[in-house]
Amino acid sequence: GAVVSQHPSRVICKSGTSVKIECRSLDFQATTMFWYRQFPKQSLMLMATSNEGSKATYEQGVEKDKFLINHASLTLSTLTVTSAHPEDSSFYICSALPLERGHTYEQYFGPGTRLTVT
Amino acid sequence: QKEVEQNSGPLSVPEGAIASLNCTYSDRGSQSFFWYRQYSGKSPELIMFIYSNGDKEDGRFTAQLNKASQYVSLLIRDSQPSDSATYLCAVNYSGYALNFGKGTSLLVTP
Repeated sequence: GAVVSQHPSRVICKSGTSVKIECRSLDFQATTMFWYRQFPKQSLMLMATSNEGSKATYEQGVEKDKFLINHASLTLSTLTVTSAHPEDSSFYICSALPLERGHTYEQYFGPGTRLTVT
Repeated sequence: QKEVEQNSGPLSVPEGAIASLNCTYSDRGSQSFFWYRQYSGKSPELIMFIYSNGDKEDGRFTAQLNKASQYVSLLIRDSQPSDSATYLCAVNYSGYALNFGKGTSLLVTP
């Protein structure tokens, strides 16, 4: 149980275009989903926290107009990278916090999306 | 800025030995501590979480937490070559969000 999927797993796009990444919790509902970014040989950096039905909360330094997050349902959050540039090339990983989790804070991670902007 | 510090390594141990991974954190208000393993090009997978001071054991893994010293560690007994990966320490802040350390690279040599 507790499976999170991401689509696509890899995407290559041209500079200036937009890319949408989907994050789905397959067998549980998630009130909160998180979006992380990981550059080579760096750790995961939290970009934003996404709550179903409300606006996402962005971390300091993350441009909310560039990284659009929509948490439309309890099983789906999307991240759209608008007007992508080569410096946006990174590994984007989502995680989901189950609605029913008892006393645990465990998040379940998706497999990640490798974005390359040419 | 809330910090999570790890030695980047690489930490090299022979097969069968105990690997000891350490992590310190700056936020005294943190309540939850996680160890993740990440293979190259993959997303993190949870090894263990610990909330209370002391030791928590799960198979070959033992997590140790000392909130007074703001220190959490992970011991891997009987290390195997398949344990070679980057180990990420994560600490919760601002509710459920996680702050990750940069990770320690572990290499288990046959």
